[in-house]
Amino acid sequence: DTGVSQDPRHKITKRGQNVTFRCDPISEHNRLYWYRQTLGQGPEFLTYFQNEAQLEKSRLLSDRFSAERPKGSFSTLEIQRTEQGDSAMYLCASSLELSFAEKLFFGSGTQLSVL
Amino acid sequence: QKEVEQNSGPLSVPEGAIASLNCTYSDRGSQSFFWYRQYSGKSPELIMSIYSNGDKEDGRFTAQLNKASQYVSLLIRDSQPSDSATYLCAVNTDKLIFGTGTRLQVFP
Repeated sequence: DTGVSQDPRHKITKRGQNVTFRCDPISEHNRLYWYRQTLGQGPEFLTYFQNEAQLEKSRLLSDRFSAERPKGSFSTLEIQRTEQGDSAMYLCASSLELSFAEKLFFGSGTQLSVL
Repeated sequence: QKEVEQNSGPLSVPEGAIASLNCTYSDRGSQSFFWYRQYSGKSPELIMSIYSNGDKEDGRFTAQLNKASQYVSLLIRDSQPSDSATYLCAVNTDKLIFGTGTRLQVFP
């Protein structure tokens, strides 16, 4: 499979627990993005990496959220002390950065439900 | 003002008609524009990209860009029930910013 892979597909957790999601991008892609999407809304930017460097993190993002991309390959997104408002679809996307012509390809997402 | 604005719909069109989806954006420096299709419960799928003013056609899809008016549109000709989905407009500033999407319903 040469697409973007995300794991798990679904996660149910209790409020206050920590959760971690994984994303494996398309192998030759050097950029990796995390978005969050709630029902009826478009994907909301969270953060992105170029290789292993985290270039930007949304200023709307709580300090409870952290992302890593060790060695510039897969990435993890961790949410600490989850809240019910964190319930959403977490989407990972990757691209081969080509200046303004960059095209993102999305994984299937991780659906998080916080009870 | 939101960076990328779309009418949330739903936009209902009969099968075989032309569906017209619109999007406006706020950053005049934006250089690239994309349309993604998202079926319910699925992730967004890229269907069109456009970088210069004018029209770009790909099969039944035509993207239109007017940078002076900060306006992007997507036309779907000969709409099919399988085109029923949410269509997301995305604009590349220094990262890809999405609109809220327009839900399209094509009825037989």
